[in-house]
Amino acid sequence: GQQVMQIPQYQHVQEGEDFTTYCNSSTTLSNIQWYKQRPGGHPVFLIQLVKSGEVKKQKRLTFQFGEAKKNSSLHITATQTTDVGTYFCAPGAQKLVFGQGTRLTINP
Amino acid sequence: DTGVSQNPRHKITKRGQNVTFRCDPISEHNRLYWYRQTLGQGPEFLTYFQNEAQLEKSRLLSDRFSAERPKGSFSTLEIQRTEQGDSAMYLCASSLVGGLGYTFGSGTRLTVV
Repeated sequence: GQQVMQIPQYQHVQEGEDFTTYCNSSTTLSNIQWYKQRPGGHPVFLIQLVKSGEVKKQKRLTFQFGEAKKNSSLHITATQTTDVGTYFCAPGAQKLVFGQGTRLTINP
Repeated sequence: DTGVSQNPRHKITKRGQNVTFRCDPISEHNRLYWYRQTLGQGPEFLTYFQNEAQLEKSRLLSDRFSAERPKGSFSTLEIQRTEQGDSAMYLCASSLVGGLGYTFGSGTRLTVV
């Protein structure tokens, strides 16, 4: 099945700094979804990427899907304390296979 | 609609006992998924249904685990003869075929003592 590796596993930033997490696969992905899980919460859907080279923005969040559809990234500009949580990428057609996630902590 | 509902929120059981969890998905969603999550890990796929049909079950899933979705609405996940290694958060999610994203419930936290 489709497996992905997310890096880094942990990231601690000062509020206002940027943050990027990467999702890498050894196989071509049909699509990829991103989720955010707040501490003590459940995963919440953020976005789905389908097309090669696709870039989508949601306010301070920018999502990219690689040209070869083997990697994806999530970039947050000027982090805020509300961005704290674990960000998961999850490829899959019939079912999603979640990566290990990148846990973001922020120093206010 | 109040989203995906899971009951109970917490369950503490003794090793060897059977437990059953319930998931009520978003009513118009035809797909329902069960995942398990342990601390520091991403959700691990267990099984999923489309309407009442169970379409896939993880090969890693022991025979002690069984899931049903009898009328294509709510689903139950049963774990027989629980072991300490079964302690985890059990997450249910639902989606529409061709829809965008899964909607997760708040989960059932199982502790096996």
